[in-house]
Amino acid sequence: DGGITQSPKYLFRKEGQNVTLSCEQNLNHDAMYWYRQDPGQGLRLIYYSQIVNDFQKGDIAEGYSVSREKKESFPLTVTSAQKNPTAFYLCASSRTGAGNQPQHFGDGTRLSIL
Amino acid sequence: RKEVEQDPGPFNVPEGATVAFNCTYSNSASQSFFWYRQDCRKEPKLLMSVYSSGNEDGRFTAQLNRASQYISLLIRDSKLSDSATYLCVVNVEGQNFVFGPGTRLSVLP
Repeated sequence: DGGITQSPKYLFRKEGQNVTLSCEQNLNHDAMYWYRQDPGQGLRLIYYSQIVNDFQKGDIAEGYSVSREKKESFPLTVTSAQKNPTAFYLCASSRTGAGNQPQHFGDGTRLSIL
Repeated sequence: RKEVEQDPGPFNVPEGATVAFNCTYSNSASQSFFWYRQDCRKEPKLLMSVYSSGNEDGRFTAQLNRASQYISLLIRDSKLSDSATYLCVVNVEGQNFVFGPGTRLSVLP
């Protein structure tokens, strides 16, 4: 079945540590996105990529980094500079970056600080 | 004013009721509109796109009013399984998707 796979499902970070969240899709979608969701709040865009080897900052990119070396993969690194990383992280993809294509989500990674 | 606003909720309705949610958006250049549902501690799932002429999918009907800059979602004959948070999503061509904060629905037996 085609879909978006995020791993791990749960992740714990120590102070000063960088952690990487994986996102893989086999939908052959061009565009991929990372969002953060805090309890009781809406989704906020961290980074997005409309094509391989290209990505742009979203609304809350500080303390995060991404890469898009392959079409199917868009990993997110939460760096030690992100002082409040505890949240639900959602990866999404869409067929193209055009706004009329809906996004489809992975089942998320919950990140907590130890 | 926030870019996308939704009815604050929560909505608590009995099974079989009809319930409607509204969503307003501030950017008149918005072109694409969607409704997603999100179950507790799960990812959002696409419920339906919203087309200019309005569209229906079973018990769900979506409407768009460009003049007043709002979209609506109507759920008829509510089921227990409809309990979730409903997210309104708006896109301006060339810009990113903007998600509303969501409206929580609880369908009660």
